[in-house]
Amino acid sequence: AQSVTQLGSHVSVSEGALVLLRCNYSSSVPPYLFWYVQYPNQGLQLLLKYTSAATLVKGINGFEAEFKKSETSFHLTKPSAHMSDAAEYFCAVSDPGGTSYGKLTFGQGTILTVHP
Amino acid sequence: DAGVIQSPRHEVTEMGQEVTLRCKPISGHDYLFWYRQTMMRGLELLIYFNNNVPIDDSGMPEDRFSAKMPNASFSTLKIQPSEPRDSAVYFCASSILTGDEQYFGPGTRLTVT
Repeated sequence: AQSVTQLGSHVSVSEGALVLLRCNYSSSVPPYLFWYVQYPNQGLQLLLKYTSAATLVKGINGFEAEFKKSETSFHLTKPSAHMSDAAEYFCAVSDPGGTSYGKLTFGQGTILTVHP
Repeated sequence: DAGVIQSPRHEVTEMGQEVTLRCKPISGHDYLFWYRQTMMRGLELLIYFNNNVPIDDSGMPEDRFSAKMPNASFSTLKIQPSEPRDSAVYFCASSILTGDEQYFGPGTRLTVT
């Protein structure tokens, strides 16, 4: 069975500082991996996805994530935080064609706070 | 495309009443998912459909919950009778391919008093 662990339910950074949100996964087959962002009172919006092409994936709003198979990690980074990045971030995994056929498994989410 | 459309956006009802949530997926998407989000339990998958057929309903909490997809452009999630513990935000999402990115609707915030 696939699973996702997001380390840290809350992360706080200063505006202009590096953002690092951690995600580790387990999957029995090569996975697809996703990061979503949720702003208050809105649905989830896709930031970026990894589908077995380049291991460094660039997404919207200056975010990127690196797939590291040896560490089973898919951490999300942004070099310089902006106040508008304050939101909740979800990591998700799927194993196309596996036993969880068609489903995404989401982590518990990390709330990012950006201080002026 | 307008994206995934959900209605109503907010629903307040009394315990024991029937509640029906509606979803219109993105045209051409063969997969439709219903999720529930609460502070305590996070984001939970309730049920998903492929080509209008329910594939996995193991997340449906109990028999009070039912979901249908009569055609490719419409799905409903019904709760009968509703209870205060059903209060949550319910999201609908759709995707083109199995295991690929899902597009989420804005959600329906349900409050059961």
